[in-house]
Formats: sequence, structure tokens, C-alpha cells
Amino acid sequence: KAGVTQTPRYLIKTRGQQVTLSCSPISGHRSVSWYQQTPGQGLQFLFEYFSETQRNKGNFPGRFSGRQFSNSRSEMNVSTLELGDSALYLCATKLEGAGGYNEQFFGPGTRLTVL
Amino acid sequence: AQKVTQAQTEISVVEKEDVTLDCVYETRDTTYYLFWYKQPPSGELVFLIRRNSFDEQNEISGRYSWNFQKSTSSFNFTITASQVVDSAVYFCALSEANRAGNTGKLIFGQGTTLQVKP
Repeated sequence: KAGVTQTPRYLIKTRGQQVTLSCSPISGHRSVSWYQQTPGQGLQFLFEYFSETQRNKGNFPGRFSGRQFSNSRSEMNVSTLELGDSALYLCATKLEGAGGYNEQFFGPGTRLTVL
Repeated sequence: AQKVTQAQTEISVVEKEDVTLDCVYETRDTTYYLFWYKQPPSGELVFLIRRNSFDEQNEISGRYSWNFQKSTSSFNFTITASQVVDSAVYFCALSEANRAGNTGKLIFGQGTTLQVKP
């Protein structure tokens, strides 16, 4: 069974540009969550999508947005990039069930560098 | 508000020493999940263990053991006879629960960098 796939793995952008990152979940997983990891702020939750709808949102400015497609693949977009957006962006996917626990599986991450 | 605190930023031990990583959490939920993840230099998060709020049994898996105490809101992780391959960043995390089970939102601690020297 293929794991969570994130593309691209590495990205270099300049300030002011925008960027789109992609996450393909494990087959059958309909929940996709995004996290940002920086040395200063650690691992922080960005948002969660389920059935093409944002279900949870972290405390990030509106420059950070996302969406989910009907095949559960998700993209996140960061507009007007700032130096502080340089980070490892991780996505995690999981099944949805009627109660009980469903484990989240993390992808390898996309390392974004903003120059 | 939910919060996870890992007070130890960095720990350095010599191989074969035992080491305990501390984790203290805050939540108002009665149902929640606690986790430990390992992040090697490659960056990928590796799941180690999950505990739900109703299960306070301690767990041992090989050289790893976990001590969950609701009375002190702690979920500590001990590595016995540490090895160089244990060197990594370790994260404790908390997840809230809803009717469907757990949400996709994890609250992470700041992480503890463990260095095991030969």
C-alpha cells in the first residue's frame, strides 16, 4: 500500500511569490491535515480537510489556504511569501470511522526555502 | 486551550544509559489521545505510540516504555539501554476527539532532541 506522497520534496522561492504544495493521501483516506515545522515555532497545525471541506483551522494568517479535491488529494497555497515561511510542511492523512481511533500517517514533507 | 509541554529541549546521554523524556499536557476534554513521534534527520515523523484518555496502563515495547498519569497530566517516555540509532527529535502530541473518533488536529510539544553518544 503506497504511503502519503508529497510533492515537490524541495522548493526554493523568493519573497513575494506564491507557492502550491500537494499531498496525495493513502488510498481510502479522506482526511488530510497540514502542519508547518520551523525551528522557532516547532510543529504547528495549519488546517484539516475532509470531504472537500475545511474542518479545522489553526492560527495562521489568510495567506495560508488549502483545498481538497474529490479524490481526497489536497493542496495548500501560500501567497506573498515571507522569509518566515521557510519551513518543512508536512501533511498527514487518515481514515474516517464511526467512532474509535484512526491513525494518522505522515508524508515525508516539502521543505520550502524562501530567499 | 490544549497545550503540550516538553520542558527538555536537548538531552545528551552515553550509549546504554537509560533516558526519560518528559511530557506534560493540558486539555479540558475528557476524551483525548496522546502520542509520541520520532523524527530522525530525514524529517519524516515516525509514529511510536498512542494512548487514549481512558487507558492509563503503562506500556512497554522492547527498549521503549511509556508512563501515562492523568493525575499529573503527564505522558513520559523512557528508552532503556539507549543506542546511537535512538538519536532523533522526539515529539509528544495531543489530539482531541469527536463523535467520529479522533480529529486530524494534533497539538505538538516543542520536541526534545536526544543525542546518544557512542
